[in-house]
Amino acid sequence: DVKVTQSSRYLVKRTGEKVFLECVQDMDHENMFWYRQDPGLGLRLIYFSYDVKMKEKGDIPEGYSVSREKKERFSLILESASTNQTSMYLCASSSASGQGMTEAFFGQGTRLTVV
Amino acid sequence: DQQVKQNSPSLSVQEGRISILNCDYTNSMFDYFLWYKKYPAEGPTFLISISSIKDKNEDGRFTVFLNKSAKHLSLHIVPSQPGDSAVYFCAASGMNSWGKLQFGAGTQVVVTP
Repeated sequence: DVKVTQSSRYLVKRTGEKVFLECVQDMDHENMFWYRQDPGLGLRLIYFSYDVKMKEKGDIPEGYSVSREKKERFSLILESASTNQTSMYLCASSSASGQGMTEAFFGQGTRLTVV
Repeated sequence: DQQVKQNSPSLSVQEGRISILNCDYTNSMFDYFLWYKKYPAEGPTFLISISSIKDKNEDGRFTVFLNKSAKHLSLHIVPSQPGDSAVYFCAASGMNSWGKLQFGAGTQVVVTP
């Protein structure tokens, strides 16, 4: 079974803090993604990575950065947390497919609250 | 601007009846469509997918229909069971997209006894 593990289920951080969300997958997938889920908006892509040290902006990258130093690990960084970054964060991975025809496997999510 | 739209935020259905969830998309470059199911405080789990070269895909109680000319797909669940109560997300991707998915806003399904 594919397993995508996020380091925390729940986090509470203060405004202005630097926040790290970690994600590890065990299926040797090339692609990894960070989404956030908000009511009425579905899942929106923040950043993705198709290879080690490679990263591409998604639809809402502002206020975030990412790091992928190893194939199995993809980190999301909130440089200076703000209250509008309170959300459910979901990491996902998928195998490489030039035709895009592959499902993504998700972690259990991190509920981040910024106070 | 959402490229994948689920216009029904919620759906209530009786146990044993059919659930029909709808999804529309605007990007004609999408060629692969997926449905995910999500319980509260959990990550989405993959349910079923369909390639644009097909118009129907079936897996047990779940069937997805694709109408490319209308840019519309639907998920049929029959018979509906209480464990099907969850949020369902429609998603789409295009060729050479590195597996990036565009999601709809989701439909909350409640299956009543």
